[in-house]
Amino acid sequence: KNEVEQSPQNLTAQEGEFITINCSYSVGISALHWLQQHPGGGIVSLFMLSSGKKKHGRLIATINIQEKHSSLHITASHPRDSAVYICAVRDLGAQKLVFGQGTRLTINP
Amino acid sequence: NAGVTQTPKFQVLKTGQSMTLQCAQDMNHEYMSWYRQDPGMGLRLIHYSVGAGITDQGEVPNGYNVSRSTTEDFPLRLLSAAPSQTSVYFCASVGTGDTGELFFGEGSRLTVL
Repeated sequence: KNEVEQSPQNLTAQEGEFITINCSYSVGISALHWLQQHPGGGIVSLFMLSSGKKKHGRLIATINIQEKHSSLHITASHPRDSAVYICAVRDLGAQKLVFGQGTRLTINP
Repeated sequence: NAGVTQTPKFQVLKTGQSMTLQCAQDMNHEYMSWYRQDPGMGLRLIHYSVGAGITDQGEVPNGYNVSRSTTEDFPLRLLSAAPSQTSVYFCASVGTGDTGELFFGEGSRLTVL
């Protein structure tokens, strides 16, 4: 079993829909990161969380440390949000970053 | 400009050749790491370092070598390239504490013939 599990693996939605991507992890962590990668593109950091909730524009990220779970929400989704979204955690013990497999999001106009 | 600088962006090698992918950051980050990304797969950790003089293996270390003589630099060496090492490679660094943002290099596309 992977230390970091994302769901769903693939998600297709219509423009304007509310999107939720989930991340569950099994190790103790010092931080959790949400990343975005457009097709053929580089990897960009969206959020770094150690507790609570953060918001940037239409993106919201939450984390529940007790339940070892984080969610990334996109409100009023747009075709330009189409990308792979990756969850990564910083392992408290080994200190290394552990990545989920990513969620491929496609927003149709 | 602050960030992670990764070079080269593209490289073609013949089987058996060696090369070094360079990675440098100017944010005084202790943690640096190398990943490979293959089509349809997630990022796989090759090697990582939690500080100068300290390196450790990730999940796919075979065929790769690293060193961390300074906080700024974390080069990845391919000692004898193989076609199975054809991939896109990313370097990343992360700070610690509440400002511990994660930064990636732009990626290096390596083809081994």
